[in-house]
Amino acid sequence: SQTIHQWPATLVQPVGSPLSLECTVEGTSNPNLYWYRQAAGRGLQLLFYSVGIGQISSEVPQNLSASRPQDRQFILSSKKLLLSDSGFYLCAWSVWGRARTEAFFGQGTRLTVV
Amino acid sequence: GQNIDQPTEMTATEGAIVQINCTYQTSGFNGLFWYQQHAGEAPTFLSYNVLDGLEEKGRFSSFLSRSKGYSYLLLKELQMKDSASYLCAAASGGSYIPTFGRGTSLIVHP
Repeated sequence: SQTIHQWPATLVQPVGSPLSLECTVEGTSNPNLYWYRQAAGRGLQLLFYSVGIGQISSEVPQNLSASRPQDRQFILSSKKLLLSDSGFYLCAWSVWGRARTEAFFGQGTRLTVV
Repeated sequence: GQNIDQPTEMTATEGAIVQINCTYQTSGFNGLFWYQQHAGEAPTFLSYNVLDGLEEKGRFSSFLSRSKGYSYLLLKELQMKDSASYLCAAASGGSYIPTFGRGTSLIVHP
C-alpha cells in the first residue's frame, strides 16, 4: 500500500533562518506531488506541484522553492523565512486512473516563524 | 481561473442527515474530491467523483453534476466524531491539480 511521510511535524524557526521540509512517498512510482499551505482559518493554497523528477511548477510568487531530486521525494525550502511564512504545510500525492483516483496528504508540518 | 464555493459553517444533530454543497467553476475539469479535516490534523480522503451521479461509501455519499458545476457530500447517521471541516476540491488541467474551497465547518451536537 502507498504511504506518505512528511517531517518534521512541528517547527519553530526565527525570521531570516532557512527552511527545509521533506516529503517521501512509498509504494508507488511517478506520483504527482504537491505542496500546499493552510494559514489559520484559511483554505488550502497550492504552492508547488511536480509531475516528475526535476519538474516543478510554482503556483504563487513567494519566498519558497521546491525540488524533486528523486521520484518519490519532494522538498520545500526557503533561504530566509518571513513571519508570513507561518502556517500548516502539507505534502500530497495523487494517483490517477480508470480503476482508482485518489489523492492523499502527509501528516503536515506546523511552522511557526518567530 | 478556478472558483470553489461551499458554506462556511453548518450545524446538525447527532443521528441526522446533513448535505454539504459545493459549486465550482474551473477549466479542464478532471473530477471533484471531498476531504475531511479534523482540527489540527491533515485532510483525509473521502471521495472522488468524475462522472455524474451518486457514489456511496458507508455513511458518506458524494454526488456530482458536471453540467451544473455542482457537488454535494451527504453524511448519514451523524456521529459526534463527524464534527470537522469538509473540504471540496476540483481537479483541473493536464496535471490534475486539486484546487480547494475554504471548507465547511460541520458541528454535530447531541
